[in-house]
Amino acid sequence: AQKITQTQPGMFVQEKEAVTLDCTYDTSDPSYGLFWYKQPSSGEMIFLIYQGSYDQQNATEGRYSLNFQKARKSANLVISASQLGDSAMYFCAMRETDNYGQNFVFGPGTRLSVLP
Amino acid sequence: SAVISQKPSRDICQRGTSLTIQCQVDSQVTMMFWYRQQPGQSLTLIATANQGSEATYESGFVIDKFPISRPNLTFSTLTVSNMSPEDSSIYLCSVVQGLGYTFGSGTRLTVV
Repeated sequence: AQKITQTQPGMFVQEKEAVTLDCTYDTSDPSYGLFWYKQPSSGEMIFLIYQGSYDQQNATEGRYSLNFQKARKSANLVISASQLGDSAMYFCAMRETDNYGQNFVFGPGTRLSVLP
Repeated sequence: SAVISQKPSRDICQRGTSLTIQCQVDSQVTMMFWYRQQPGQSLTLIATANQGSEATYESGFVIDKFPISRPNLTFSTLTVSNMSPEDSSIYLCSVVQGLGYTFGSGTRLTVV
């Protein structure tokens, strides 16, 4: 079974609008972490935001916020006031520990295109 | 946060040759990780490199194809050996940074 699911292969958003990128996850580890990374065409992976499984508040970092719904096992990324520079691949990732040790797994990614 | 210098940033190589990718971290780290990202795909962990011991490879990756060195706590290399066009990918190194992972800038490899 997929550990991380991102159901949107591609998304379009108008500049200055908000956009939500979906992420659902599957783990039996009670203490896990969820991450979002941005990968522009240059190939580097840029850390955006982190949510711990025990965090009471939804994480926010500037224009990025994470809509964490623990019971639904979802961790959607919300980007407010989209900018042209936000066009990139976005990966949801999870850090968990299983019987074999710590894992860090990535979802398949969502390609976001911001339209002028 | 840790800064990782990865090089080369890109290369075009002939099939049958080998390429060594280097990652230098500005602080000492216990584990370094090597990922492959094939075109249009997500990241796949190749191996975990520990200083002073052999790297631990994930299923589907072998040491003969992807030898790794970890001579000290700030440096590691990944070699892609006997390359074929199927090895064309982005290769990234990574370290644990606080609660998450920090990545190098990536090496975009094209095998012709």
